[in-house]
Amino acid sequence: DTGVSQDPRHKITKRGQNVTFRCDPISEHNRLYWYRQTLGQGPEFLTYFQNEAQLEKSRLLSDRFSAERPKGSFSTLEIQRTEQGDSAMYLCASRGRGDGYTFGSGTRLTVV
Amino acid sequence: QQPVQSPQAVILREGEDAVINCSSSKALYSVHWYRQKHGEAPVFLMILLKGGEQKGHEKISASFNEKKQQSSLYLTASQLSYSGTYFCGTERGTTDSWGKLQFGAGTQVVVTP
Repeated sequence: DTGVSQDPRHKITKRGQNVTFRCDPISEHNRLYWYRQTLGQGPEFLTYFQNEAQLEKSRLLSDRFSAERPKGSFSTLEIQRTEQGDSAMYLCASRGRGDGYTFGSGTRLTVV
Repeated sequence: QQPVQSPQAVILREGEDAVINCSSSKALYSVHWYRQKHGEAPVFLMILLKGGEQKGHEKISASFNEKKQQSSLYLTASQLSYSGTYFCGTERGTTDSWGKLQFGAGTQVVVTP
C-alpha cells in the first residue's frame, strides 16, 4: 500500500491554458474523490467515482472542468481555459468501504 | 450544505484540553474528523457513525449527538504534535450523497510549550 499519489505536485500555467492532473488511488479502494482547497478553507467537493462511473459532479463546477477514471484505476482532472480563480490545491482521495478518506499530497495550481 | 465548526481557532499550552464542535442542519449518517498540518494533506483521525459508539485515538476522542446533528472532538492533555487545522467532514447517507463528504471551514489549533 503506497498511499494515494498525485502528479504533478505543483503546476504554474498561464491564463487560458489547459492543465491535467493525475491521481493514483490505493488499489483496493473503489471510490475516488476530487476536492479543491483554497487558503484558510476546508476541502470543497468537485466530483467522485465508484470504479469507472462518475457518480456526481458539483453544481459549482463549470463545464471547463472534466474528470475521468478509465477502467476504474487512476483518474485525471482536466481544467480547460484556466482562469486566475482556478488557483488552488487540488486534492484527490480514495476510500475503502467504511473507512475514512486517504488523501494524496495534492497538486498546487497557480494560474498567472 | 457545509457543516459549521467552532471555534475558528484555539491556542493551548501543552497539557491543556480543548473541544471542537461541528454542527449540521441536515440529518447525518456519519461524521469524519481530519487533521491537516501546514503544507500537507489532511489525515484521517476517526469516523463516527449514526448509532455508533464514541471513538478515540490515544488522547483524542469524539462523540456524535444524533438528535442535535452535532459532533465534538476532544483534545485531552494536548501535545505539541496536536497542532494543525482540524476539519470535520459530514456524510448525509442519502442515495445521491453516499460516500461524499462536506467539510467545515476548519479549526486551527496551536499548542505551545
